[in-house]
Amino acid sequence: DADVTQTPRNRITKTGKRIMLECSQTKGHDRMYWYRQDPGLGLRLIYYSFDVKDINKGEISDGYSVSRQAQAKFSLSLESAIPNQTALYFCATSGGLSRNNEQFFGPGTRLTVL
Amino acid sequence: AQTVTQSQPEMSVQEAETVTLSCTYDTSENNYYLFWYKQPPSRQMILVIRQEAYKQQNATENRFSVNFQKAAKSFSLKISDSQLGDTAMYFCAFAAYNQGGKLIFGQGTELSVKP
Repeated sequence: DADVTQTPRNRITKTGKRIMLECSQTKGHDRMYWYRQDPGLGLRLIYYSFDVKDINKGEISDGYSVSRQAQAKFSLSLESAIPNQTALYFCATSGGLSRNNEQFFGPGTRLTVL
Repeated sequence: AQTVTQSQPEMSVQEAETVTLSCTYDTSENNYYLFWYKQPPSRQMILVIRQEAYKQQNATENRFSVNFQKAAKSFSLKISDSQLGDTAMYFCAFAAYNQGGKLIFGQGTELSVKP
């Protein structure tokens, strides 16, 4: 089984709808991240969390919110989706510096907002 | 703020040949990691190689090696004996020790290996 899973894998929604992307991990890592990938821009950080009570904004958090329900679960919500939020979204986990800061990525969620 | 720049949006190489992908970065930090990630058409992000800034020796992983020039803030990836399975998007990424492990990514280089 995959260590980092994301649901759904693909989603098409309409402008103004609320949508939640979910991420689960079995690696036992405390650190979790949400990134967004756009062509020509690489991946950009939306939010990150070091534990259930520690959530931080990243580079492009406007229009997004997150919830860390447990060590293993980190959800990303778009309260009112807009077309320029169409992108590929990745969740990642890390064991921190003690684990060489390596991040492990989920398979991604392709989101299309019409 | 840190930035990572990949100035080659697309590259191609013949199978079995060697190719080098460029990456430069800007930071005032002294302690950091640098990474190369591969993203094949499956879109999965796969770690290729990692370099710690305090290590002078360039990292190698089988056919993949880096040329890390700390003073020049350059971190290029060399792929030797290119294989068709190396066809992918490659991302250079930076993470400072004191910034929670956040990755700063470059724009990506799309590599095509031709038979």
